[in-house]
Amino acid sequence: EVQQLESGGGLVQPGGSLRLSCAASGFTFSDYAMSWVRQAPGKGLEWVSSIGGSGGSTFYADSVKGRFTISRDNSKNTLYLQMNSLRAEDTAVYYCAKDPRPNYCSSGVCYSFFDYWGQGTLVTVSS
Amino acid sequence: DIVMTQSPDSLAVSLGERATIYCKSSQSVLYSSNYKNYLAWYQQKPGQPPKLLMYWASTRQSGVPDRFSGGGSGTDFTLTISSLQAEDVAVYYCQQYYDTPLTFGGGTKVEIQ
Repeated sequence: EVQQLESGGGLVQPGGSLRLSCAASGFTFSDYAMSWVRQAPGKGLEWVSSIGGSGGSTFYADSVKGRFTISRDNSKNTLYLQMNSLRAEDTAVYYCAKDPRPNYCSSGVCYSFFDYWGQGTLVTVSS
Repeated sequence: DIVMTQSPDSLAVSLGERATIYCKSSQSVLYSSNYKNYLAWYQQKPGQPPKLLMYWASTRQSGVPDRFSGGGSGTDFTLTISSLQAEDVAVYYCQQYYDTPLTFGGGTKVEIQ
């Protein structure tokens, strides 16, 4: 059974940092591109970032480029999102999401859709 | 960026009746080399993460009831629930994966009339 468990969310002041983690199980983690998608309270879905299975290719939304860094540790089956210079508008539930296609975008551009999502972790940026 | 526009914002349908949701992309998401539409549909119930319903615009994800169907091509797409059930109350989102940034529609809330 595929499971994805996010952690690391919480309350942080504007300008602060957080690192989110997503521990995955039930599939060969290194074979699949992974992404972060966020949802502000009461709002719709916004793609944040994607990473290929090998970790060699990464992509970001303009709204987070230069502030957020996606990475993965395939030996630990874990996806990360390092978030720096946080703003109030980054307040959201952050979901990790898996692309269903094995060995897709290992080194190229990841045009992903998502078959499994974690339960999400809430990040609140407020003073 | 490809803008995804869903309509209506909300929809109230009687149990057993048909519900149709529309999604329009600002440019075609049909890839000419493989004739596939890079369009997915998700269902999100309150307090839950989204659930994949459809991909390639009309391929049903495993386990999704066959009352759900996806259609359309190019820039205009539909998600149809042929006979609405109580458990279908949710917000539905379309998403294009033709280009980055990956973008979602604003969502359509489906309720029971």
